[in-house]
Amino acid sequence: GENVEQHPSTLSVQEGDSAVIKCTYSDSASNYFPWYKQELGKRPQLIIDIRSNVGEKKDQRIAVTLNKTAKHFSLHITETQPEDSAVYFCAASLFTYNNNDMRFGAGTRLTVKP
Amino acid sequence: DTEVTQTPKHLVMGMTNKKSLKCEQHMGHRAMYWYKQKAKKPPELMFVYSYEKLSINESVPSRFSPECPNSSLLNLHLHALQPEDSALYLCASSQDNRVSDTQYFGPGTRLTVL
Repeated sequence: GENVEQHPSTLSVQEGDSAVIKCTYSDSASNYFPWYKQELGKRPQLIIDIRSNVGEKKDQRIAVTLNKTAKHFSLHITETQPEDSAVYFCAASLFTYNNNDMRFGAGTRLTVKP
Repeated sequence: DTEVTQTPKHLVMGMTNKKSLKCEQHMGHRAMYWYKQKAKKPPELMFVYSYEKLSINESVPSRFSPECPNSSLLNLHLHALQPEDSALYLCASSQDNRVSDTQYFGPGTRLTVL
C-alpha cells in the first residue's frame, strides 16, 4: 500500500517569511495529492491539491509542486501570517473507480510568529 | 448545502454501551468515508462506501460496524469499545470516483470510552 512521509514535523517561521513542507510517497501509481490544513479542534480543510498530470499549481499565497520521477511533492506558503498557524497534512491516493484509498503524511505543525 | 455534518459532536460511553455516530451530506456525493484520528496524528482510513456499497474496510475490528442507508447518510455503530478507541471520528465525502476524489471532511465526533 501507499506510504507517505512528511517533513518537517514542526516548523516555526517569522510572519512574512515563506514556509515549505515536503512529502514523499511510495506508490508510483498514485495520481492525486491534496494538502489539508487542520486547526486545533477543527476538521481538516482542503487548501490545495494537484494531480499527476500537472507539475505545479498556485492559489494566491499557496503553491504545490510535484516531481513524479522522484515521487515527492511540496507545499509552499509565501508571506506567512499568524492565521496560517495550524497542522498541515499531505496525502496521496490512486484515483481510479471504486478506489479512494487516501493515505496521509504524519503532519507538520506550522507556527507563524508575529 | 456544501457541508458534511456529523452528530453528536461529543460522545462519552462505557465499554458495554452501544451507540451510533451519524454523518450526512447533501452535495450529491457518492463516496463516503470514516476516519479515526488520535491526538497529534493524521486521520487513518477505516471504511469507504462507494455508491452505498462498502468498498474498503481497513481491517477494522468488528466492534465498529458501518452502515450506509442511502447516498446521503453514513452511520458508524459502536459496540463493546475499548478505552484505546477514544479518538476523533471524522466522516468525509467525495463527489464521484470517476470525476473527482477530493474529500470534504465533517467536523468530527470526539469519542471518549471509559
